[in-house]
Amino acid sequence: QSVLTQPPSASGTPGQRVTISCSGTSSNIGSNSVNWYQQLPGTAPKLLIYFINNRPSGVPDRFSGSRSGTSASLAISGLQSEDEADYYCAAWDDSLNGVVFGGGTKLTVL
Amino acid sequence: QLQLLESGPGLVKPSETLSLTCTVSGGSITSNRYFWGWIRQPPGRGLEWIGTISYTGRTFYNPSLKSRVTMSVDTSKNQFSLRLSSVTAADTSMFFCARLPESTTYFDLWGRGALVTVSS
Repeated sequence: QSVLTQPPSASGTPGQRVTISCSGTSSNIGSNSVNWYQQLPGTAPKLLIYFINNRPSGVPDRFSGSRSGTSASLAISGLQSEDEADYYCAAWDDSLNGVVFGGGTKLTVL
Repeated sequence: QLQLLESGPGLVKPSETLSLTCTVSGGSITSNRYFWGWIRQPPGRGLEWIGTISYTGRTFYNPSLKSRVTMSVDTSKNQFSLRLSSVTAADTSMFFCARLPESTTYFDLWGRGALVTVSS
């Protein structure tokens, strides 16, 4: 059971906009920055979004993040086949005194 | 371009200690701009933070694993290491080493991962 809650799956068609939610508490998302990782099949995770809505160099602006209260969201616009991957949210948890991850969302491009 | 590479035995017996090393190439581990961490992923499951270490040896461990985890740094070899004691089959995972910018909690660079299986 992960500390942060994500839907196990999401899907969309090419060109569509999809969002992936991440639900937490006041000790993690509610008071600390949220980060998102993309894990393509058979590869290591890659930082996708940091500090809620910042993109590392090289990440397309089709990817964006947001936070409202104790929940966060990752939005992917103009969905492409290469976006098919697992997506994880993460944050620092003040109560657990450590980094916590969501259980991951498997995105399928139909 | 800085790269991270995990290495260590791929098979460990139950009750023994798992040991992995992460070699940092293309840059110095002693940069005070970064911390270094370990994350694991059981087959078909999600990510779990194991711990983080600075090049000076300051450590932060996952409370659920703290009693079994030891992390260390060898600046002469530009490496940092993980030891996980008293392993069981539940510890079978892909282990990733990664870099964290100082004063942050996100991992901006990852190694390719090393699979460790716990089995007799």
